Amino acid sequence: DGGITQSPKYLFRKEGQNVTLSCEQNLNHDAMYWYRQDPGQGLRLIYYSQIVNDFQKGDIAEGYSVSREKKESFPLTVTSAQKNPTAFYLCASTGSGANVLTFGAGSRLTVL
Amino acid sequence: SQQGEEDPQALSIQEGENATMNCSYKTSINNLQWYRQNSGRGLVHLILIRSNEREKHSGRLRVTLDTSKKSSSLLITASRAADTASYFCATDPGGAQKLVFGQGTRLTINP
Repeated sequence: DGGITQSPKYLFRKEGQNVTLSCEQNLNHDAMYWYRQDPGQGLRLIYYSQIVNDFQKGDIAEGYSVSREKKESFPLTVTSAQKNPTAFYLCASTGSGANVLTFGAGSRLTVL
Repeated sequence: SQQGEEDPQALSIQEGENATMNCSYKTSINNLQWYRQNSGRGLVHLILIRSNEREKHSGRLRVTLDTSKKSSSLLITASRAADTASYFCATDPGGAQKLVFGQGTRLTINP
């Protein structure tokens, strides 16, 4: 079945540590996105990539980094510079045509 | 920046009743989409309505769009317990701009 796989589902981090969240898709979608969701809130865009080896900052990119070396993969690194990293992180992708997002199941990051 | 504002923030109804959620936005759009999120899960796309459409149906879902008032509504008819979830509107400004999500309506269907 085609879809988006995010891992890990739950992640705990000590302050000062970088962590990387994985996002893999087998939908052959060109564009991929990372969103952050805080409790009771909507989604805020962190980074997005429309083609391999290219990515753009979203609304809240500070303290995060990404790479897009393969079409299928768009990992997100939450760096120690992110002051409040505890959140639910969602990866999504879109194919050609209308801007309809397919989401992964999410990764919940907790900073201890 | 979040463009969509959803109303109400939370809605609790009895199974079998209809549920209506509203979304208002600020700038012109190419289309407006509704997504559902079950607790602790990713979002699932429900329906898309283009700026030149006024109403669209999909199963028990009915979406309306009023571009003059910059607002949309999502109606779920004959609600079921499985409809319990958060519902988000997302506006597509078109061009190179990305989808912008509202803060969502938390819907609870009581058996």
